[in-house]
Amino acid sequence: DTGVSQDPRHKITKRGQNVTFRCDPISEHNRLYWYRQTLGQGPEFLTYFQNEAQLEKSRLLSDRFSAERPKGSFSTLEIQRTEQGDSAMYLCASSPWVREDEQFFGPGTRLTVL
Amino acid sequence: AQTVTQSQPEMSVQEAETVTLSCTYDTSESDYYLFWYKQPPSRQMILVIRQEAYKQQNATENRFSVNFQKAAKSFSLKISDSQLGDAAMYFCAYNPPWAVNDKIIFGKGTRLHILP
Repeated sequence: DTGVSQDPRHKITKRGQNVTFRCDPISEHNRLYWYRQTLGQGPEFLTYFQNEAQLEKSRLLSDRFSAERPKGSFSTLEIQRTEQGDSAMYLCASSPWVREDEQFFGPGTRLTVL
Repeated sequence: AQTVTQSQPEMSVQEAETVTLSCTYDTSESDYYLFWYKQPPSRQMILVIRQEAYKQQNATENRFSVNFQKAAKSFSLKISDSQLGDAAMYFCAYNPPWAVNDKIIFGKGTRLHILP
């Protein structure tokens, strides 16, 4: 078990471009979460999946953001037409079936929008 | 709405000393989970300790312990025998009952410095 992994670790893009991040949860964790963390703040919830179903989305997740977990394993988070305000660390976490309250975090993807 | 407040943006402690980080929260629920997470400079969030609200006994994990005051909605973290590796951002977090939703609400964090 190698833990939650995220790719890429860093992404620099120009405003208006689309970006996609990937998260691989701990195997057999059925829940997967996305958070956004800006400098000096705690993580803010964006969305979560139970298996392949997206169960909740935050109001922070504008229509430029879309997340998928097509086979209930890895997940992708896409941001279309990026804006400078999207610059942040995007964290992924997963939790096991038995202890759903205990979330294991990945290292994050740091996005910089120029 | 549930909120989590950490009133100490930064704290410093001498190595081997004890330090207490404060956290208060607001909720109308009676059953929930509380956590302290550590985020070292490498940025990967690590769970330090968890507390279930229905348990009166304070959680303890080695040098880390909590003082859970349910009526006061207070959840402080005590780190004993501080070590250089304890330097990090510490986030207090609240998780509502699973039947309500399953999103953790984090405080803004306390940056802990360990002085050698």
